[in-house]
Amino acid sequence: QVQLVQSGAEVKKPGASVKVSCRASGYTFTAYVFHWVRQAPGQRLEWMGWINGDNGNTKYSQDFQGTVTITRDAPANTAYMELSSLESHDTAVYYCASHPWGTYSLDHWGQGTLVTVSS
Amino acid sequence: QSALTQPASVSGSPGQSVTISCSGTSSDVGRVNRVSWYQQHPGKAPKLMIYDVSNRPSGISNRFSGSKSGSTASLTISGLQAEDEADYYCYSLTSTSTYVFGTGTQVTVL
Repeated sequence: QVQLVQSGAEVKKPGASVKVSCRASGYTFTAYVFHWVRQAPGQRLEWMGWINGDNGNTKYSQDFQGTVTITRDAPANTAYMELSSLESHDTAVYYCASHPWGTYSLDHWGQGTLVTVSS
Repeated sequence: QSALTQPASVSGSPGQSVTISCSGTSSDVGRVNRVSWYQQHPGKAPKLMIYDVSNRPSGISNRFSGSKSGSTASLTISGLQAEDEADYYCYSLTSTSTYVFGTGTQVTVL
């Protein structure tokens, strides 16, 4: 069945970068779009950006422009989200989610990855 | 892009109906019928409940329904059950091919 499996929890120091992976299984990676969503403790969901699994085209939220980079390795069925210049407010659970190209809702979700930024 | 506006909380007794509003602009909710709704229980990943304003994915109870008027979308939960107690978020495509979530609504079953 369709599944998104994310990498494990990370602890980083302020100023560092983190790269979270999201491996897809059960469907054709290149027919899907992959999104990243942030949720700080007790806070709402925030959309960060998306990547086309086929051609690698990306689109980012203005709120994260310049600090987030989303990439993918199609042969490995994996999408990545890298967040740089980490600050304490970046402490959050990061989710990947996907949908077929040509649709517009987040059908499938990963389990979430907790990133903790602490000195 | 500002978050879509939702009420912070709504509540109802078992069996009642509750409606959650999601107010956007002509650049998002009011522009296209690409609004979806997600249910999130504590400590869990969100789950798609409604897509394209009013469509239910396979396996989602018909107690959940969606609609839209102008720049405001709505999610109605009929026959409220204890398991419906969760946070709910709306989500919309925007005019710049980005997306935006709502502020989130906590549903409490009294």
